[in-house]
Amino acid sequence: QVQLQESGPGLVKASETLSLTCTVSGGPISGSYWTWIRQAPGKGLEWLGYIYYTGSTKYNPSLRSRLSMEVDTSKSHFSLKLASMTAADTAIYYCARGLEVRTYFFDYWGQGTLVTVSS
Amino acid sequence: EMELTQSPDILSVSPGERATLSCRSSQGVKTNLAWYQQRPGRAPRLLIYGASIRATDVPARFSGSGSGTDFTLTISSLQSEDFAVYFCQQYNNWPPLTFGQGTRLDIK
Repeated sequence: QVQLQESGPGLVKASETLSLTCTVSGGPISGSYWTWIRQAPGKGLEWLGYIYYTGSTKYNPSLRSRLSMEVDTSKSHFSLKLASMTAADTAIYYCARGLEVRTYFFDYWGQGTLVTVSS
Repeated sequence: EMELTQSPDILSVSPGERATLSCRSSQGVKTNLAWYQQRPGRAPRLLIYGASIRATDVPARFSGSGSGTDFTLTISSLQSEDFAVYFCQQYNNWPPLTFGQGTRLDIK
């Protein structure tokens, strides 16, 4: 059973950079599209982007200028950096697994981590 | 950007009855649509992909249908654990990948 676990700070100051890590266990990190999705309090789901295990990425155009992702296959984890944080970035951040880019839905999710941006 | 509109926003149904949730896309997505269930305080759970294919371990009372722009998630004989928020997601035209705004299924 694949498991994903997010880790990172729960509180970030405005204008700073958020760094989150998602650790993958119970299955290989290779061959999948590792994805970040967020959910503002009481709101819907917003796709941030993915990183393939080879390191190739695709980002949401609305966040591309502030977003970067990396993968470390030796540690079986991938990470997100989101720069210039504002209150609008306050959300639960989920990592998830997408198996194929042509059938890009998410069969495993982390439990999510709440990130609050303070002024 | 592809928009997905779910209706209704809130659906109140009694346990044991059938619930029908709708998802409409602004452009055709063939059958490249998934449905998720999100219980309070939990991550979303994949229910349906390919518009009508149940994911692993999803009970048979959940069924999906539709293609093109109009999709339906049907839950027959609602159980207490089914009262949750349901999201649809398209994976035909992206980036950006998009989700519907969600339908909250409440106990009547």
